[in-house]
Order: sequence, then structure tokens, then C-alpha cells
Amino acid sequence: AQSVAQPEDQVNVAEGNPLTVKCTYSVSGNPYLFWYVQYPNRGLQFLLKYITGDNLVKGSYGFEAEFNKSQTSFHLKKPSALVSDSALYFCAVARGGSYIPTFGRGTSLIVHP
Amino acid sequence: NAGVMQNPRHLVRRRGQEARLRCSPMKGHSHVYWYRQLPEEGLKFMVYLQKENIIDESGMPKERFSAEFPKEGPSILRIQQVVRGDSAAYFCASSPAGQGHEQYFGPGTRLTVT
Repeated sequence: AQSVAQPEDQVNVAEGNPLTVKCTYSVSGNPYLFWYVQYPNRGLQFLLKYITGDNLVKGSYGFEAEFNKSQTSFHLKKPSALVSDSALYFCAVARGGSYIPTFGRGTSLIVHP
Repeated sequence: NAGVMQNPRHLVRRRGQEARLRCSPMKGHSHVYWYRQLPEEGLKFMVYLQKENIIDESGMPKERFSAEFPKEGPSILRIQQVVRGDSAAYFCASSPAGQGHEQYFGPGTRLTVT
């Protein structure tokens, strides 16, 4: 079975400060890892993914994530937060060879002006 | 290139009625996924389809729920004899292929059962 944990329901950060949204996973075999963002009353938007290769993955809107195999983590980061980054962020994992990702419960990011 | 389209965006049904949710994947995408999102919860996988085939329906309730993706036309998620517990947001996603590919989500259909 595969699972994702997003340990923080909410993350608060001041505009201009760096942000981190945490994600840990459990999966057998090699993982495929994804981050999505959801704005109110909208569907999820893809931000970035890790399949193989460089552990640091760069994605949309200045976001990046680091795959850490030993810690089974895939934390989402951004060097300087914007108020417009405020949204719900979902981490997802799929076992290599599987079509079906498992999503975390989501972390609400609030960026204060 | 239009994104994933879902309709209706909002659907109100009385208990016992049928709900039909439609999803048109992105052009060129042959893989469709349906998810349900309840308040304060993440997305729960329901079913994965390719054209004319149900590949994985392990997340579908055993009764009242069905899905199809015909050769022509949109994918349909059908809920018969709706109950209040079916009230949720239902999202469709599509991808060009399965393994390792990100999914592109529609705006969702918010089903309210009264």
C-alpha cells in the first residue's frame, strides 16, 4: 500500500519569507512524487513531479521540491512567498508502475502581507 | 488547447434521484480518473478508465456508482438513488498516459443532495 502524510494542516508565513510545506510518503519500490495546488472552488493544478534523476525538482511559479530517499520526504519549498501563493497544497505518491496516485489530506498555506 | 471540462459545475438532487456527471478530457488524453473530495479531506480515488475500458475501479462504492468512457463523447460518472452522504465535490482528471505522468484536473462538479 502507498500513503502520504502532510503533517501540517496549515502553514503561515509572511510575504517575502521562505516557505516549506512538508510531505512524507510510504511506498514499495521507486516512488513517483507530485505536488498540486488548489485554489478555492477550483480543480487541482500540477506544480511539479519527481520521477527519477536530480533530487531537486523545479516547478511552476518558483516552487521547488527536494526528494530525500533516506527520509522518504518530498518537501515543497519557495525562497520568497507571495500573498497569491495562499492556497491548498496536495502531495501525491504513486508506486513506480502504478497508474493511481494517493493524495495527502492537503496543507493550507496562508501568506500574510 | 482547452483544459479538462466538467459539467455541470453545480448539481442539486433530491434523495433517491440520479446524478450524472460529465467529463471531457484534454485533447489527446486517453486516460481519465475520477476522484471525490469531501470537506477537510484529500482526494479519494474512485475509478480509472481508458476509452471503452475500466482499468481500476477499486475506489468505487460497490453499489449505486458506475462510470464509463465511451469511444465517442465524455466520460460519465453516474450515481443512482443518491443519498445525503454523496454530497461532495467530484473531480475528473486526465493524462496522456498512465505511469509517471501528471494529471490535469477539471474544475469539479459540486453535488448537493437535499
